[in-house]
Amino acid sequence: GAGVSQSPSNKVTEKGKDVELRCDPISGHTALYWYRQSLGQGLEFLIYFQGNSAPDKSGLPSDRFSAERTGGSVSTLTIQRTQQEDSAVYLCASSFRDMNTEAFFGQGTRLTVV
Amino acid sequence: KQEVTQIPAALSVPEGENLVLNCSFTDSAIYNLQWFRQDPGKGLTSLLLIQSSQREQTSGRLNASLDKSSGRSTLYIAASQPGDSATYLCAPRDSGAGSYQLTFGKGTKLSVIP
Repeated sequence: GAGVSQSPSNKVTEKGKDVELRCDPISGHTALYWYRQSLGQGLEFLIYFQGNSAPDKSGLPSDRFSAERTGGSVSTLTIQRTQQEDSAVYLCASSFRDMNTEAFFGQGTRLTVV
Repeated sequence: KQEVTQIPAALSVPEGENLVLNCSFTDSAIYNLQWFRQDPGKGLTSLLLIQSSQREQTSGRLNASLDKSSGRSTLYIAASQPGDSATYLCAPRDSGAGSYQLTFGKGTKLSVIP
C-alpha cells in the first residue's frame, strides 16, 4: 500500500478482554515500531522489529502486552486482560532501514477500555 | 535515557508571521532527527528528516536546523498559514545499541489565526 495501515481505527472493549491491533507497514520496510500515545502524554515507545525479530521490547509496559511480526510484514500487538489504563492511541511506524531513513506512521488505533 | 523538551508548549500567531519552534534533547548520540506534525485525532505526518552530519534541511516553507553537540534543533516556518495549525513534534533517533528508536517530546501546539 501507499502508507502504513492500521486496523481497526477504533476499538472499544470491556475490561478484562483481550484485543489485537494490526499494522501493515509500507511494502519493503524492514523496521517496524509500535508506540502508545495516552491523553495529554507524549509518544511512548513499546517495541521495535527488524524483520520478524524484536531486538528491543523494552517499552512493553507489562507481560499482558505482546507483539509479533510475520513474513517481515504485518505486525500484531496483543493486549491481554485489558485494563482502563490501557486506553490510548496505539501508533505503528515503519522505515526502510533502521538508522538513516525516514519513519512513516499510520493513523493509529484508538483503544478505549470500559 | 534520551529526554526531549519542546518549547513553547503552545503558540498562537497571526497568519503570515514567521515562527520558530524549539527542540532540545539530552543525548547527542543520535543518527538523525525527524520533525512531524500531528493533526487532532490523526497519526503523525513526517515533515523533515535531518541527518546528524547535516546542519540544515529545507522543504518548501519549512527549514530545520540541527546542532547535535548542543542537543538542539529548530523548525522555522515561513509565512504561516491557517493550514499549518497542528501539533509539531521533534524526535531524535538514538544511536545507542538496540532499536534506533525515536524519542518524542510533548510537542508544540501551533494555532495560526486568519
